[in-house]
Amino acid sequence: SQKIEQNSEALNIQEGKTATLTCNYTNYSPAYLQWYRQDPGRGPVFLLLIRENEKEKRKERLKVTFDTTLKQSLFHITASQPADSATYLCALGAQGTGFQKLVFGTGTRLLVSP
Amino acid sequence: KAGVTQTPRYLIKTRGQQVTLSCSPISGHRSVSWYQQTPGQGLQFLFEYFSETQRNKGNFPGRFSGRQFSNSRSEMNVSTLELGDSALYLCASSTSGLATDTQYFGPGTRLTVL
Repeated sequence: SQKIEQNSEALNIQEGKTATLTCNYTNYSPAYLQWYRQDPGRGPVFLLLIRENEKEKRKERLKVTFDTTLKQSLFHITASQPADSATYLCALGAQGTGFQKLVFGTGTRLLVSP
Repeated sequence: KAGVTQTPRYLIKTRGQQVTLSCSPISGHRSVSWYQQTPGQGLQFLFEYFSETQRNKGNFPGRFSGRQFSNSRSEMNVSTLELGDSALYLCASSTSGLATDTQYFGPGTRLTVL
């Protein structure tokens, strides 16, 4: 069956360091992958989208890689700040549907300490 | 632009009852998707509507239904509530629901079934 795995344990890092979050998937051939941020009591907020033919995407302090051979995406936050503390979700989109039908991972909680 | 709004924000029901949740998308957005979020299962896709038509459906029982109105507002209904339906229900809107459109999530409706 299709499976998306994100580290369920919280990731604790110090301010200024680079946070790296992992999204692994099996039995799935996504055409694209999205990363979202979710704060407690709020809906997810879209951060980045990367297509299957793109290796890397950047936006300010954020960087996403997408390795379809390893079936893995890495999400990096450089120069992390306490305000980056949140849960980060990856979501995979199927090829050929044309419409939004995202499959989400369960998310990884990031805690950035001062 | 006002964001996606969902009402009510919190709801307590008992088993066997039914419930209707409402979602108002961002002005100009014609696609509305619904998700269920639980600690164990994460975010799971329920269905997607575009121009009053359901285009995509997740793997949920028929007790879960929805509709979209001509002004793009959407409602979802859950009949014969079960304890396991306790969750955060999120709706998300996008301009046309294409696979690479950015989805904007509302704050969610927290449903508790007793």
